[in-house]
Amino acid sequence: LAKTTQPISMDSYEGQEVNITCSHNNIATNDYITWYQQFPSQGPRFIIQGYKTKVTNEVASLFIPADRKSSTLSLPRVSLSDTAVYYCLVGDVPAGTASKLTFGTGTRLQVTL
Amino acid sequence: DAGVIQSPRHEVTEMGQEVTLRCKPISGHDYLFWYRQTMMRGLELLIYFNNNVPIDDSGMPEDRFSAKMPNASFSTLKIQPSEPRDSAVYFCASSFDPARYGYTFGSGTRLTVV
Repeated sequence: LAKTTQPISMDSYEGQEVNITCSHNNIATNDYITWYQQFPSQGPRFIIQGYKTKVTNEVASLFIPADRKSSTLSLPRVSLSDTAVYYCLVGDVPAGTASKLTFGTGTRLQVTL
Repeated sequence: DAGVIQSPRHEVTEMGQEVTLRCKPISGHDYLFWYRQTMMRGLELLIYFNNNVPIDDSGMPEDRFSAKMPNASFSTLKIQPSEPRDSAVYFCASSFDPARYGYTFGSGTRLTVV
C-alpha cells in the first residue's frame, strides 16, 4: 500500500516559495498523486494532481521524479492566507481500496510576515 | 452549483442516541465518500459509493455505523447507538473522476456525543 510520509510542520515568511515533499515509496503503477489544502473548520480543498513529471496550475506546481517515489508541492510566493494543512494523497479510484484512499497526517504550513 | 451540502453543521447528542448525518453531492458526481476527522487519527475514509452502490466499506469502524445512498442526490451516515468516541468532524465528498480531479468536500458535520 502506498503509505505517504510528509513533514509534520513547516514555517515560511510571506513572499517566499515553499516546497513540501511527500514520500510514497510503494506507489503503484496506477496511482495518481493528489494534494489537498485544509483550513480550520473547513473540508479539504483539491489543489493539484499529477501522475509523472511536472504539473502546474494557477495555484501551485507539482514535481514528480521519474521513479515516482516522492513528489514535491511548490507554492510560489506564499501569503498569510496560505497558512493551512497540506495533505498528500496517493491512490487509484475506482480500483483502489479504502486504505489507499486515506489521507496522511498532513503538513501544517505557518506563514508569517 | 452550491457544492457538496452537509447537514447539520453541528450535532450534540447523548450517548446511546441515534445520529443521522446527511449529504447532498454535486449534481453529476457519481462518486460519494464519507470521511471522519479527529485529532488523533486524522482524516479516515469510512465508505465510498459509485453510482449509488457501496464499493468499499472496510473503513467503517463497526456495526454501529451504516451508510446509504438511496439516489444520486442524497446519502446518509447513521450511528446507532452513538458513543463519546464517535465525536469527530464527518465530511462528505463527491467527484465525477477522482483519479483526474480529486474530490470536492462539504463543510462537514461536527458531532459531539456526551
